[in-house]
Amino acid sequence: AQTVTQSQPEMSVQEAETVTLSCTYDTSESDYYLFWYKQPPSRQMILVIRQEAYKQQNATENRFSVNFQKAAKSFSLKISDSQLGDAAMYFCAYTGTASKLTFGTGTRLQVTL
Amino acid sequence: DTGVSQDPRHKITKRGQNVTFRCDPISEHNRLYWYRQTLGQGPEFLTYFQNEAQLEKSRLLSDRFSAERPKGSFSTLEIQRTEQGDSAMYLCASSFSGTSGEQYFGPGTRLTVT
Repeated sequence: AQTVTQSQPEMSVQEAETVTLSCTYDTSESDYYLFWYKQPPSRQMILVIRQEAYKQQNATENRFSVNFQKAAKSFSLKISDSQLGDAAMYFCAYTGTASKLTFGTGTRLQVTL
Repeated sequence: DTGVSQDPRHKITKRGQNVTFRCDPISEHNRLYWYRQTLGQGPEFLTYFQNEAQLEKSRLLSDRFSAERPKGSFSTLEIQRTEQGDSAMYLCASSFSGTSGEQYFGPGTRLTVT
C-alpha cells in the first residue's frame, strides 16, 4: 500500500519570505502522480501543483514550485514571496494505478507580518 | 462551470438516525469520489464511481454506509444508524478519467452526531 508522510505538523514563515514543506512517500509503482493541495480554514481543498513521476523537470506554478526526488521518494513544496493568503493546511497527496488519492497528515502553515 | 457542490454543508443528527448527503460533480467529469476527513487529519478515501459504476470501496466503508450514482451525474452517500464516530467532514471530489489524476473538491458536509 502507498503511504504519504508529512513530518512537519506546523510551519511558520514571514511575509515575503520563502518556506519549504516536506513530503515523503512510499510506493512500488513506477507510474504515479503527486500533488499539493491547500485547505484554508473552513474552506475547500484547492489544488496547488501537480507532478508527474515520469517527468524529471520539477513543476512550477507562479510562486509555488516542487523539488521532486524520485529515487529518494521525496516531494517538497517551496512557496516563494509568501503572502498572508497562503496561510492554510497543506496536504501532500499521491495517486497511482488506483484512482484514489492518498493524503499525508498535513502541515499547517502560518504567515506572519 | 460552478465546480463541485455538496449539500447540506452542515448536518447535526442524533445517534441512530440515518443521514444522506448529496454531491454534484463538475459536469464533464465522469469520476466521483467520496472521502472522510477528521479533525487534524488528511482526507481518507471511502469510495469512487466511474460514471454510474462503483469501482472501489475502502474497508472504512462499513455496511452502514452506502453510496450511489444512479445516472452517472450526482451521487448520494447514506449513513444508516449513525454513531458518534461518524462525526467528520465528508468530502466529494470529481475528475475526468482522461487526465492525470487531479481531483477537484467540493466544500464538504460536516456531520456532527450527538
